[in-house]
Amino acid sequence: KAGVTQTPRYLIKTRGQQVTLSCSPISGHRSVSWYQQTPGQGLQFLFEYFSETQRNKGNFPGRFSGRQFSNSRSEMNVSTLELGDSALYLCASSFRPLETQYFGPGTRLLVL
Amino acid sequence: DAKTTQPPSMDCAEGRAANLPCNHSTISGNEYVYWYRQIHSQGPQYIIHGLKNNETNEMASLIITEDRKSSTLILPHATLRDTAVYYCIVRPLYNFNKFYFGSGTKLNVKP
Repeated sequence: KAGVTQTPRYLIKTRGQQVTLSCSPISGHRSVSWYQQTPGQGLQFLFEYFSETQRNKGNFPGRFSGRQFSNSRSEMNVSTLELGDSALYLCASSFRPLETQYFGPGTRLLVL
Repeated sequence: DAKTTQPPSMDCAEGRAANLPCNHSTISGNEYVYWYRQIHSQGPQYIIHGLKNNETNEMASLIITEDRKSSTLILPHATLRDTAVYYCIVRPLYNFNKFYFGSGTKLNVKP
């Protein structure tokens, strides 16, 4: 079974731009979560989607948003990029919420 | 929130068992112990999890003490490809936001 896929794998943007990241969960998984990982803050939870509904949200500003489509694929968007948004953005999927999560390879975002 | 304490780094000889300890002295009854590993900034890879019984799968074994205040991940025959940062995580069953990774243990498997 194919794992979680994320596109793009690497991205360079400048301050003030916006970015959209994509995640395709493992086939049959309907829950998708997003995390930000930085050397200083470690792994931080962004949000979780299940059946196209956001179930949980972490402590990030409103510039960070996401959505989930009917095929369980998910996107996250970051508007008005700041230098501090440079990070590895990870998507994880599970069959249902609160079950074991499987992570994708991540999207490495660099904001200049 | 229950947090975990792990040694920052450990060495292991190739072919030998790697025993990675984790302290989670404030764990509560509805919290699972999860182990993930991350190889050089790739996405974390799920290894194993447990509540109170010892668990084994094709990758590793998880030994949880009877008081649940600590656990040990065992890789029975470490290979060079097991070199990674290993994260012990305590995850509440009913609170999804509290998925705290911590700083992990860098396992160096040496030939």
